[in-house]
Amino acid sequence: GQQLNQSPQSMFIQEGEDVSMNCTSSSIFNTWLWYKQEPGEGPVLLIALYKAGELTSNGRLTAQFGITRKDSFLNISASIPSDVGIYFCAGREVAGTYKYIFGTGTRLKVLA
Amino acid sequence: KAGVTQTPRYLIKTRGQQVTLSCSPISGHRSVSWYQQTPGQGLQFLFEYFSETQRNKGNFPGRFSGRQFSNSRSEMNVSTLELGDSALYLCASGEGDYGYTFGSGTRLTVV
Repeated sequence: GQQLNQSPQSMFIQEGEDVSMNCTSSSIFNTWLWYKQEPGEGPVLLIALYKAGELTSNGRLTAQFGITRKDSFLNISASIPSDVGIYFCAGREVAGTYKYIFGTGTRLKVLA
Repeated sequence: KAGVTQTPRYLIKTRGQQVTLSCSPISGHRSVSWYQQTPGQGLQFLFEYFSETQRNKGNFPGRFSGRQFSNSRSEMNVSTLELGDSALYLCASGEGDYGYTFGSGTRLTVV
């Protein structure tokens, strides 16, 4: 099925470091979402973005809707061990159907 | 406000059998989507239902089917199970443009 390109696929970082990940699409999106999934659970919505250029924060997390409308970025500042998990981006195409397309995920591991 | 409830949480089935998974969405949400998650393939879209009608469908064989009831509860069915159907099946409900809320999933193991 169709998926977004999400990078990096995985990363190990030291506690306290900042983290950046991004998601790109070949088509224009009108909504970008960022989710976090922990083992054995479903993804949990972190941030939703609805306008090009929009910058939204949720605690130590900040996400941006790219101005080209084909990408989005998620930053985590001062990472802590509980940030461990898989982060997924998801988007809804402007010219597409109502469904959300998901990225392949970024697996984050934080070293204490 | 209760979240999305999926039952059962875990299931073990034998090849060739069929299985039905259930999803109760958040009250007021008319859209219910189903995803298959495997380690190598990420989240693969199965189908979406909105007000009892299938609105979108992913690229899965006809063995995978679903339906939605008038109370928005949804079921998905997989017939003639294969080993490769072992996965975490996630249901998500939504309303409008506010993103999906996922359930905890049903872990299906086919032996």
